[in-house]
Amino acid sequence: KQEVTQIPAALSVPEGENLVLNCSFTDSAIYNLQWFRQDPGKGLTSLLLIQSSQREQTSGRLNASLDKSSGRSTLYIAASQPGDSATYLCAVSIFTNAGKSTFGDGTTLTVKP
Amino acid sequence: NAGVTQTPKFQVLKTGQSMTLQCAQDMNHEYMSWYRQDPGMGLRLIHYSVGAGITDQGEVPNGYNVSRSTTEDFPLRLLSAAPSQTSVYFCASSYLGVGRSSGNTIYFGEGSWLTVV
Repeated sequence: KQEVTQIPAALSVPEGENLVLNCSFTDSAIYNLQWFRQDPGKGLTSLLLIQSSQREQTSGRLNASLDKSSGRSTLYIAASQPGDSATYLCAVSIFTNAGKSTFGDGTTLTVKP
Repeated sequence: NAGVTQTPKFQVLKTGQSMTLQCAQDMNHEYMSWYRQDPGMGLRLIHYSVGAGITDQGEVPNGYNVSRSTTEDFPLRLLSAAPSQTSVYFCASSYLGVGRSSGNTIYFGEGSWLTVV
């Protein structure tokens, strides 16, 4: 059974810092990995999707990397802003059912002005 | 483009009542799913569907039923509500992704907050 772990559970940083969020998974036979953002009282918004054949994806100040062999992904946020405050979740899907995803519990990020 | 639409947004039920959470998507996605999210936790899969007429159980299916008569709609039925089903429910959809260069980005609805008293 695939298990997804996110460390740390919570993170507080001053504005302007570069930061890294971690996601680890137990079964390396994944189809893809996605990072999501969730604001309080809202649904999840997809930030980045990395296919199993890719090593990283970038969108603006966000960069996500994937190392299947070690079962790890990182989400790098450059020059953090108070508007980045949210919960970030990662999810992995497996080859046998590309749409069925397992989620981590998330990292709650607070960026202080 | 509406994306994934869930109704109702908020609902209070008494123990033993039944209700249906509605979910509709307008992106012609094959895959639809229901998750529940409890405080401080990630999402747990309740039921999912890979196409009209096909459904299967996820991690926490007990107490819930689903059906998929059309590509667009995937309602979740609570048969006899229990306090343990107090949670936030999210519907999601995606392409299956296999063979698609676009991958299978998951799109979520805004959530349905359910309280069972």
